[in-house]
Amino acid sequence: GENVEQHPSTLSVQEGDSAVIKCTYSDSASNYFPWYKQELGKGPQLIIDIRSNVGEKKDQRIAVTLNKTAKHFSLHITETQPEDSAVYFCAASIYENYQLIWGAGTKLIIKP
Amino acid sequence: NAGVTQTPKFQVLKTGQSMTLQCAQDMNHEYMSWYRQDPGMGLRLIHYSVGAGITDQGEVPNGYNVSRSTTEDFPLRLLSAAPSQTSVYFCASIDGVEAFFGQGTRLTVV
Repeated sequence: GENVEQHPSTLSVQEGDSAVIKCTYSDSASNYFPWYKQELGKGPQLIIDIRSNVGEKKDQRIAVTLNKTAKHFSLHITETQPEDSAVYFCAASIYENYQLIWGAGTKLIIKP
Repeated sequence: NAGVTQTPKFQVLKTGQSMTLQCAQDMNHEYMSWYRQDPGMGLRLIHYSVGAGITDQGEVPNGYNVSRSTTEDFPLRLLSAAPSQTSVYFCASIDGVEAFFGQGTRLTVV
């Protein structure tokens, strides 16, 4: 079955700098890759996603890139702000089969 | 529109006790799931349901039961609580693409 690895487990960056979180997956059939943000005391919330027919997707300060050949995808956050501090999860699935396989999460700390 | 509602938010149980974690959604989604979240292990799927009357096991189902009598409700039952079940539990409702999570239940088994 699918396995998703996520790195790093903790990432500390200076406010205003960029942050990059990386995930790899094992099942070449996976074609949907969402990223979720979990703030303290809350459930995860979708922030951006990408499908396998696209190599990159941007939404303001966040972007996701996908390399299907290497089976890895990354989350990029530019101009980080204090409110970006949270735990970020990547996931992989076959689109609309509902079975999301999750990475272990990355705790992002934004230093003032 | 409440989304996904979980109750209770916090619970302390003694070893061997049973309890039910409640989950309700008002988005008319067919697919619902239960996860547990432990430090460094991400979200692990306990049970899921693809519609009323249909449930199936996920990655870590032992010690838990579920039922789905209506589209809205998907309760999770702990049959005989063990310290290893100390965790944060999340219910999610999925529209085929996006998962909508409840606020979570922090369960401690002593």
